[in-house]
This record gives sequence, structure tokens and C-alpha cells, in this order.
Amino acid sequence: DAGVTQSPTHLIKTRGQQVTLRCSPKSGHDTVSWYQQALGQGPQFIFQYYEEEERQRGNFPDRFSGHQFPNYSSELNVNALLLGDSALYLCASSAGTGNTEAFFGQGTRLTVV
Amino acid sequence: GQSLEQPSEVTAVEGAIVQINCTYQTSGFYGLSWYQQHDGGAPTFLSYNALDGLEETGRFSSFLSRSDSYGYLLLQELQMKDSASYFCAVRAPAQGGKLIFGQGTELSVKP
Repeated sequence: DAGVTQSPTHLIKTRGQQVTLRCSPKSGHDTVSWYQQALGQGPQFIFQYYEEEERQRGNFPDRFSGHQFPNYSSELNVNALLLGDSALYLCASSAGTGNTEAFFGQGTRLTVV
Repeated sequence: GQSLEQPSEVTAVEGAIVQINCTYQTSGFYGLSWYQQHDGGAPTFLSYNALDGLEETGRFSSFLSRSDSYGYLLLQELQMKDSASYFCAVRAPAQGGKLIFGQGTELSVKP
């Protein structure tokens, strides 16, 4: 079982650019959530996808958008990158939206210069 | 608002017992989870408490008191590999699958 996989592992972008991060959930999981983790902080919830729809959203601007595909994989898109968007972006999958145990990927380290 | 408070750092020696506390203020409450994260790695699920009391999983135990909005993670027989960040996280009814994380406690285990 591959677990949750994310790509790429590291990324460097320039201010104003756009970025797409990808996540494949653990086998058998249908729900994907995205989190942003700044250095030395806890993960902050961005949004959750289930049945190809955004089900919940955290306090993030519209520059952050996502998508879920029929195979349950997901993308996170960030437009008009700011320096403050530099962080570790984590994807978590679960079986259903209310499952108590979330499985996290290793994350994508995004650096905006 | 929603907030979770936990100590920023804890240091202990190999073989010792350490307790990491977490207090929370959230609008609604489903349960309290604990995650471990090694430097640069993925957070790993450790435990979940929905009801008051102690849950034991090997060397790790987790406790919850809903009336006090308080929980803790207890790590016994500490090993060097336990050096990591530990996060408490609340799942609230109105939030569905959303996890609200604390700032994390960095545990350093010394020989």
C-alpha cells in the first residue's frame, strides 16, 4: 500500500506565479484535505474534497483553489504567489469526511522568492 | 474562536516518562487527536479520544477530560526516536472532517 503520495516534494517559485500541487490518497480513501504548515507551526486547514466537491474551507483567500478527480486524487492550485505562501503543504486522506484518523503525505515544500 | 494550547518545548531523558498537555477552546467538539511529526516528515496519527478517560496504545497513552477541555499525551519508556513534534488536534462537529491543530510541542529526548 503506497499510502498518501504528494508531488513534487520541493518547489521554488517566484512571486506572482501560479503553482499546482498534487496528491494521491491512500488506497480505499475517498476524502482529501489540504493543510498549510508554516515553519514551527501546526498545520492549518485549507479545504476538503469529497465526491469531487469542495466540502469545507478554512480561512484562505480565493487564490487557493482545488480539484478532486474521479479516482479521488486531488490538486491544490495557488495563484498570484506571495512570499508568505512559502510553507509545507500537506495532503491528508481519510475514508469519509468524519473519519477520526487522517493519513498524511510527506508534503510539498514550497518556497516563494 | 478556536484555539489549542500546548507547551512549545519539552526535554526528557531516555527511559523517562513525559506528559504533553493540551487545552482547547472550540465551538463544538467531536474528539481530540494526537499526531507525531519528525523533522520534515508527514504527521502520523497516534491516538484519538472521543470520550473522557485514558486510551492506551503501547508506550503511548492519551487522556481526555471534556468538562475541563483538557487532554494529554503520555509517552513512557522514552527512546531517542521519540524526539519529534507532537500536535494535538480537535475535530469539531460543525467542521466535519476538519482538524484544528495546536502549535505543536517539540520533544527532545536526551541520552
